[in-house]
Parts: sequence; structure tokens; C-alpha cells
Amino acid sequence: EIVLTQSPGTLSLSPGERATLSCRASQTVRSSSFAWYQQKPGQPPRLLIYSASRRATGIPDRFSGSGSGTDFTLTISRLDPEDFAVYFCQQYGGSLTFGGGTRVQIK
Amino acid sequence: QLQLQESGSGLVKPSQTLSLTCAVSGGSITSGGYSWSWIRQPPGKGLEWIGYIYQSGSTFYNPSLRSRVTMSIDRSKSQFSLHLTSVTAADTAVYYCARLRDGLYYFDFWGQGTLVTVSS
Repeated sequence: EIVLTQSPGTLSLSPGERATLSCRASQTVRSSSFAWYQQKPGQPPRLLIYSASRRATGIPDRFSGSGSGTDFTLTISRLDPEDFAVYFCQQYGGSLTFGGGTRVQIK
Repeated sequence: QLQLQESGSGLVKPSQTLSLTCAVSGGSITSGGYSWSWIRQPPGKGLEWIGYIYQSGSTFYNPSLRSRVTMSIDRSKSQFSLHLTSVTAADTAVYYCARLRDGLYYFDFWGQGTLVTVSS
């Protein structure tokens, strides 16, 4: 099973700042099967990025994904107040796993 | 707009079977290129994939849960189901159903989730 480790666990930033979230895999991951989600309290996760770098429908362009192999990054170029949430990465490599999440909170 | 809605028992006794159903509306459960999945999230914790099922009935389960999980699909009712046997307190979680894109393996539509508590 591929283990995804997200860092940092918590990111404290102010609106307007840039957020950089990391997801590291224990083995090489197919970029085509790598995704990022946002989750707010009491809501299901929302798809942000799929295939490592493709924005899902309706996702603002301040969200971008990059990376390959074992290292992937989600970048939020300028944090909007609605972006403070928990973010999960996810991969499929024979079995499907999620990272433990990064909480982006207001500083 | 595709919608998914979970239903089932919110309280299950230890050692019994958890049963949930996901109703799909606003789109076809037989759409090509997709499968139907269950994911769970213990309170305050991360996400765990349980398994997915194709419209054909073919299933793929998380190896860690495979011995206790059964999924089924009813195309005539546009719904799919989850059964998890021999539950313990560790199975207490919000259970989500979601649509999984075939080949790219991302979840693009999710239900709102339903909390299942395992307690006597």
C-alpha cells in the first residue's frame, strides 16, 4: 500500500498570502491518478485537482497542483477567506489511499 | 447535477452488520467511465477508502477491510449498497458515497455523508 504523508500538519497564514502544501508518497505514484481535495467542517470533500495538475470544474485558478513521482504540491496563490479548510491528497496505485491532511488556518 | 444521498442505520451494535445505501439522482448509475465508491472518516480524522463497484457488479475493496465488506448495486433503483460485518467501535465514522472516475481515480461527486456509531 502506498502511504501518503502530508506536511505541514497545520499551516497558519493570513488572507492574501501564498499557501504551499506538500504530499509525499512512499513509492512512485502515477501522476494521472493523483488528486487533491478541500474539506470544510460538516461537509464532504470537494475535488480541487486531478491528474496532479488539472483543476476540477469550477475551481478558481488560484489553486494549482504540481509534482510527479513521490512529491506533489498544492499551491494556493493568494488565500481567500473561504480557503481556510483541511486539504487531502489521494492516489491510486492498485489500492486507493489518502494523506492525513493539512489544516490551513487563519493566523 | 448529479446527487448522491446516503441512508441507513445510524447506530449499530458491536459484532453486528452495518448496512448503508446510496441513492443516485440527476444522472445515470450506468454511465460509462465511472464506478461507485464508499469512503469513511472517523470523527476528527482522515479519509479511508472502503471500496468501489462498477455497474456490472464487479467490486474492488480496500485490502484492510476486504474480509468484512460487501458492496452491491441495483441499477433499476439507481442505488448501491455497503455491508460491513462484525463491526467494532473502530468502525464509527461518517460514511460517504461518491462517484469515482475510471482510469483517473478521482472522486468528483460526493454524498453529504452519514454518521454511523457503533455502540451497545
